[in-house]
Amino acid sequence: DQQVKQNSPSLSVQEGRISILNCDYTNSMFDYFLWYKKYPAEGPTFLISISSIKDKNEDGRFTVFLNKSAKHLSLHIVPSQPGDSAVYFCAASDFNKFYFGSGTKLNVKP
Amino acid sequence: DAGVIQSPRHEVTEMGQEVTLRCKPISGHDYLFWYRQTMMRGLELLIYFNNNVPIDDSGMPEDRFSAKMPNASFSTLKIQPSEPRDSAVYFCASSLSASTGYTFGSGTRLTVV
Repeated sequence: DQQVKQNSPSLSVQEGRISILNCDYTNSMFDYFLWYKKYPAEGPTFLISISSIKDKNEDGRFTVFLNKSAKHLSLHIVPSQPGDSAVYFCAASDFNKFYFGSGTKLNVKP
Repeated sequence: DAGVIQSPRHEVTEMGQEVTLRCKPISGHDYLFWYRQTMMRGLELLIYFNNNVPIDDSGMPEDRFSAKMPNASFSTLKIQPSEPRDSAVYFCASSLSASTGYTFGSGTRLTVV
C-alpha cells in the first residue's frame, strides 16, 4: 500500500502561470517532506523540503505547503517556465526512511 | 564533488543471468539507498544502509535480490537469477541525514530479455 500518493500523473501549464503539484500521504508519523525534480535519463534532484512543524517553506519560485490535518502536501511554482518541465516526485520521511510518490509529469508550454 | 556514481548506465541481459549494479556514494555521506523506478509503482525503496550496515531491506522484492556495502565508498545490488519483470531503472542515493535530502545517481537502466 502506497503511503505517499500523487494522484495526477500529468499536468500542463502555460508559461508564466502557476503550477500546483499535489501529494497526499497516510502516515501521520512522517516528520519531513521533500520534492524532487527529475529530467529524462537523469536521477532525481532535490528541490525543496519542509519539516512537519511548519506549514510553508519558500525558495525563490518554489513554495511547498503542508496541511497536516488533511495529510496533504503541495508544490507551487510561480511563474512557471519551460525549463520546469520534468517529473516531480514528492517524498516523506520517517526516521530516515523515505517513501516516494509515483510522480507527476509537468509540461510548461511556451 | 562528482556526486553519486552508478555503473553501468545501461545493462541488457538475458533471463536467468546474474546482474550486478554498482554505486559509489558521496564521500562523507553515512546513508546509502537503493531505489527501483517503474512506470507502475514509481520510486520504491529497496534497501538502505547506515554506516555500511543494512538497516531495512523490507523493500527487497525477493531472495533473488541482494545488496552489500563492503566499505563506505562502494555498494552493489545483485539480482540472481534475473527475470524480465526486474526490468526497471535502479537508482542509488546517498545522504547525510533526512534534513539534507538525497543526492541521487543517474541510475542504471536494466533490461532483462
